[in-house]
Amino acid sequence: DIVLTQSPGTLSLSPGERATLSCRASQSVSSSFLAWYQQKRGRSPRLLIYGASNRATGIPDRFSGSGSGTDFTLTISRLEPEDFAVYYCQQYGSSPWAFGQGTKVEIK
Amino acid sequence: EVQLLESGGGLVQPGGSLRLSCEASGFSFSDYAMNWVRQAPGKGLEWVSGISGSGGTTYYVDSVKGRFTISRDNSKNTLFLEMNSLRAEDTALYYCAKYMILFGGVYDASDIWGQGTMVTVSS
Repeated sequence: DIVLTQSPGTLSLSPGERATLSCRASQSVSSSFLAWYQQKRGRSPRLLIYGASNRATGIPDRFSGSGSGTDFTLTISRLEPEDFAVYYCQQYGSSPWAFGQGTKVEIK
Repeated sequence: EVQLLESGGGLVQPGGSLRLSCEASGFSFSDYAMNWVRQAPGKGLEWVSGISGSGGTTYYVDSVKGRFTISRDNSKNTLFLEMNSLRAEDTALYYCAKYMILFGGVYDASDIWGQGTMVTVSS
């Protein structure tokens, strides 16, 4: 099974700053089948990025994804107040469709 | 509006059973694969099970194989998760989620999520 490790566990930043979140897989993720989700407290997850670098419908262009193989990155170019949340990566190239443990982006 | 509405959660004793339902609306249900994802209190997301649009192909995480069964009734736009031999570690909020690609399989991201139904396994 593929294991996803996200880092850092918590990212403390101010609005307007750049956020860089990492997701590393224990083995190569086939066809870059890697997604990123945002989850705010008490809310359902929201799809941000699929196929490693494609923004989902309605996602602002300050969110971008990159990477391939075993190393993937989610970048938020300028943090808005509504971006402070927990972010999860998920691989869907092979069963089971594992999630990373999450990165919390908090206000500094 | 595309919507998923879960139901069927509750408090159950260890070893007991529950059947979760997820009613879909606003899209052609049978054309999309679906899945269940759970989240234990204060913890991260865990993918549980997925099913193709026709219902003919199913997948499970190892920890629920042999205990949980995913199924769907396309005539009623409803997804199910039958859970047997429940354990304390199955306590979680269970989300129903739709895979993104029309006529795609389960090798896909989930673009629509329900609000979740809470399952608590405790004596």
